[in-house]
Formats: sequence, structure tokens, C-alpha cells
Amino acid sequence: AQKVTQAQTEISVVEKEDVTLDCVYETRDTTYYLFWYKQPPSGELVFLIRRNSFDEQNEISGRYSWNFQKSTSSFNFTITASQVVDSAVYFCALHSDTDKLIFGTGTRLQVFP
Amino acid sequence: DTEVTQTPKHLVMGMTNKKSLKCEQHMGHRAMYWYKQKAKKPPELMFVYSYEKLSINESVPSRFSPECPNSSLLNLHLHALQPEDSALYLCASSQDRRVGIRTDTQYFGPGTRLTVL
Repeated sequence: AQKVTQAQTEISVVEKEDVTLDCVYETRDTTYYLFWYKQPPSGELVFLIRRNSFDEQNEISGRYSWNFQKSTSSFNFTITASQVVDSAVYFCALHSDTDKLIFGTGTRLQVFP
Repeated sequence: DTEVTQTPKHLVMGMTNKKSLKCEQHMGHRAMYWYKQKAKKPPELMFVYSYEKLSINESVPSRFSPECPNSSLLNLHLHALQPEDSALYLCASSQDRRVGIRTDTQYFGPGTRLTVL
């Protein structure tokens, strides 16, 4: 069975703080893809990143960075110098060819000025 | 341009009404999806269309009826809904969904917030 766990239900930080959102996944497939989506209050799910199971290189995009570690089945997301506009619900998701896109329960991030 | 559009943005309907949700994408994607999202929950898959054919129905009640008139359009027809069907309905599309390449990135629309009275 496939599963994604986001243990942090809600995180509150003050602007300019760094924050890490945790994601742990379970799958028996050797080929799979991991995703992060952002859902602001408006409702749209915004695609942030996709990684495949064979590429463990960390990735940085501006203030965003992702740490993929197969040894611990984790795909964590860090926002550096957080801003109020980063306030949203963030979903980690897992997809393999044998299954549908599986979402975690989401982490609500609130960034206060 | 990774854009999926959905209309209407908000919909209020009675339990005896018939209404439709519309979704459109112009990215040349051949797979389209309907998801239902209740408050404070992740999206739940309802239907998947691949090359305009229904490929997955996640045991959704028949009061929800999907339709894919062409590769760019996806509709969700609603009839005799219940108050518990109130939710955010999200449409998504991905490039392909044939065996071996089902894991294409799904791009989501802004959703329709549905309230059933």
C-alpha cells in the first residue's frame, strides 16, 4: 500500500524565519515520483516540484529547497526567509505507475508579519 | 502555459437542481481528472479520463456524471445532490496516462466551491 505522512498539521512562524515541512512516504514500488503542491486560501493547487525515485539530488529554487532521502523515505521541503505570501496548505504527494496520486494530509503554514 | 480553468468559481444549488461544472485546458494534455476536496482534507480522486475515455471511476455515486466532449473539455454533471456533497471540486490535467507514463505531473484548476442546500 502507498502512504504519505505529513505529521505537522499546522506550523506558525514569523516572517523571515526558515521553516521545514516534513514528508514521509511508503511504497513498495522501485519507480515512483514525489510531488509538492501549494494550496493558498483561493483553493488552487499549485505544482511546486516533482522528483523521481532515482534522483536523490537536492533541489533549490529561489527560497525553496527540497531534501530527498530514500534511506529514510523522506522528501522534506524548506522555505528560507519565509514571507506572508507563503501562508498556505502544502501537500506532499506520491505517484507510481501502479497507483493514483496519493496525497498527504497537508501542513497548514501560517507566516505572520 | 500551465493553465486549467474552471467555471463557475462558486455554485449554490438545491437538492433537486441539475447543474454542471466545467473544466478546460489548452495544454494539449490527454488526461483529465475530477477531484473532490472537503475542508481541511486532501483532494480525493473521483474520475479520470484518458484520451476522452473514462478510465477510472472511484465508486462515485451516480448523482455525479462526468463527460469529456473533447480533449480540452471536461464536465461534471450534478443531479439530486446531498448537503454532504458540498466541497471544493478540482479539475486537473496531465500530459498522458497510458501504461508506463501514468505519473505525469497533474496541473490543477482553481476549483469550484459547491454548496448544496
